[in-house]
Amino acid sequence: QQQVKQSPQSLIVQKGGISIINCAYENTAFDYFPWYQQFPGKGPALLIAIRPDVSEKKEGRFTISFNKSAKQFSLHIMDSQPGDSATYFCAASKPYGGATNKLIFGTGTLLAVQP
Amino acid sequence: EAQVTQNPRYLITVTGKKLTVTCSQNMNHEYMSWYRQDPGLGLRQIYYSMNVEVTDKGDVPEGYKVSRKEKRNFPLILESPSPNQTSLYFCASSFRQTGDLKGYGYTFGSGTRLTVV
Repeated sequence: QQQVKQSPQSLIVQKGGISIINCAYENTAFDYFPWYQQFPGKGPALLIAIRPDVSEKKEGRFTISFNKSAKQFSLHIMDSQPGDSATYFCAASKPYGGATNKLIFGTGTLLAVQP
Repeated sequence: EAQVTQNPRYLITVTGKKLTVTCSQNMNHEYMSWYRQDPGLGLRQIYYSMNVEVTDKGDVPEGYKVSRKEKRNFPLILESPSPNQTSLYFCASSFRQTGDLKGYGYTFGSGTRLTVV
């Protein structure tokens, strides 16, 4: 059962453009929504994260938009650069209890930023 | 340098030959986990450990074993590997995520690409 659905599977953006990756979740108990960035040959690395009590979080060129009622969240990369070319994963986790730290990942988006 | 170290990086083996992928972290993290990454399926959790001698199954535990005898190490054992276990494996660690510590990101290793023929 896919609890976090991510789209698109792949994305090509021109340098300077905006990259947008979307995720939708099913479990309203999720309370933490991180995005991870993975370069070829490397493990994923935490990029930015948000909690459901805010609708937006911005760090540099990266912004998470969160829509609690729609159970959706998205990553926006402004002024996309070739160095942003990577695979991006959204994820979600539940509050304390059971598998406290468990992150449930989306299926990933391969982003290519063309120069 | 704070890191999660996995070995080996690449491994080709034959069906049925037992193997162990090692994972070690130097950040004193309580929580460790193994994931496998497959195209179109993202990262799926195999096993996790909340602390020494405390382990539990993730979403895809069949065919795998783990142990946590020391806080820093969390090896993944494939007792009788099969071709459907050909995948990219990641070990990850973090502090326990409770209360104000929620949001401490996972630190991932660089991955182990396993091929079972």
